[in-house]
Amino acid sequence: GMPVEQNPPALSLYEGADSGLRCNFSTTMKSVQWFQQNHRGRLITLFYLAQGTKENGRLKSTFNSKERYSTLHIKDAQLEDSGTYFCAAADTNAYKVIFGKGTHLHVLP
Amino acid sequence: DMKVTQMPRYLIKRMGENVLLECGQDMSHETMYWYRQDPGLGLQLIYISYDVDSNSEGDIPKGYRVSRKKREHFSLILDSAKTNQTSVYFCASSSGVEQYFGPGTRLTVL
Repeated sequence: GMPVEQNPPALSLYEGADSGLRCNFSTTMKSVQWFQQNHRGRLITLFYLAQGTKENGRLKSTFNSKERYSTLHIKDAQLEDSGTYFCAAADTNAYKVIFGKGTHLHVLP
Repeated sequence: DMKVTQMPRYLIKRMGENVLLECGQDMSHETMYWYRQDPGLGLQLIYISYDVDSNSEGDIPKGYRVSRKKREHFSLILDSAKTNQTSVYFCASSSGVEQYFGPGTRLTVL
């Protein structure tokens, strides 16, 4: 299968709702990065994790290398959270990064 | 302020013309990357550069070549552009930890 599988491909949420995105890896990865791509196409780094959990405001991400997955949780979704979210994982060659296909998030008023 | 820049931001070329996309970074990162992004496919790695004159093919190198003569600059070259190379191209740099991305170049090949 794909080295990095990202789910769901698309997601619609109402403002104020919580949700989670997930990436599964076909092999053990050394690190993961989560990005948001905004309406202008700019890739914004949300998190870099080599292990464990990080939080930043309404966002929280977990990376479990052993279980081969990473999650991104969005709490109290806002309109400006709309965009495409990508996970990108580095394998044993830490310099080579593999991207998931992205989750298109649409936050509805 | 850590920054990756890309020039030009938008480019229209005719099939068969040569294309030069430039990328710069001010973080003294050793590793730099070129990706292309197409709808539904995410970002695909074209080339990776580990340092000056130390470049390696990524997943889709065909039709592209790169040049890294200074650590802060990484160029992507299309010799005789093809219509299927219409895409958005992203450059990134890394110290071996997280990646930093440029704003992208939208290339249209007619």
